[in-house]
Amino acid sequence: SAVISQKPSRDICQRGTSLTIQCQVDSQVTMMFWYRQQPGQSLTLIATANQGSEATYESGFVIDKFPISRPNLTFSTLTVSNMSPEDSSIYLCSVTRGSGGNEQFFGPGTRLTVL
Amino acid sequence: AQKVTQAQTEISVVEKEDVTLDCVYETRDTTYYLFWYKQPPSGELVFLIRRNSFDEQNEISGRYSWNFQKSTSSFNFTITASQVVDSAVYFCALSDPQGGNTPLVFGKGTRLSVIA
Repeated sequence: SAVISQKPSRDICQRGTSLTIQCQVDSQVTMMFWYRQQPGQSLTLIATANQGSEATYESGFVIDKFPISRPNLTFSTLTVSNMSPEDSSIYLCSVTRGSGGNEQFFGPGTRLTVL
Repeated sequence: AQKVTQAQTEISVVEKEDVTLDCVYETRDTTYYLFWYKQPPSGELVFLIRRNSFDEQNEISGRYSWNFQKSTSSFNFTITASQVVDSAVYFCALSDPQGGNTPLVFGKGTRLSVIA
């Protein structure tokens, strides 16, 4: 398994501000994924972060709103910029591991509330 | 495009009852993986099982069992003798293993409430 930590675990923020979420993995991984889970909803992929290249964003998500950094093989950050109440969600980072296919592990999530 | 459907939004059972959570998937790929995750009220996602598309054998792990049927594109999850601690949202998910580094497509989840 993979040990993934996220900071902060939760935060309450004011409209118009930005929050950077950190994701740390206990070993090197190629790909890291960021998901959003809005209240009562399923998980939606925001972007895929590959070390050494620009993140790849899914439809409906843009870099200006959700800039991502991936400075090394064990760490990534996701920033939620210019927040509005609609950004209130759980944000989860995820990594894959395992030979021949996916074993996908998730961090504990960051519970964000925007007032 | 890949899609996962969990038609049951919420299920409520009395403790010790058996309960089956349905999952139907769509994919054009011949090789794929199916997953089940549990999300308790605390919010973290707990990995339950991963199943390769080539392995149609059913699996049992304690009170949990999974029935994979390619013919109906279903991957159902049964909890036997349910307990209050089983109360959670359960997600079924699908991935296309392009080199083993692909994200998951999730169903909308089924909220299970087990009443004492």
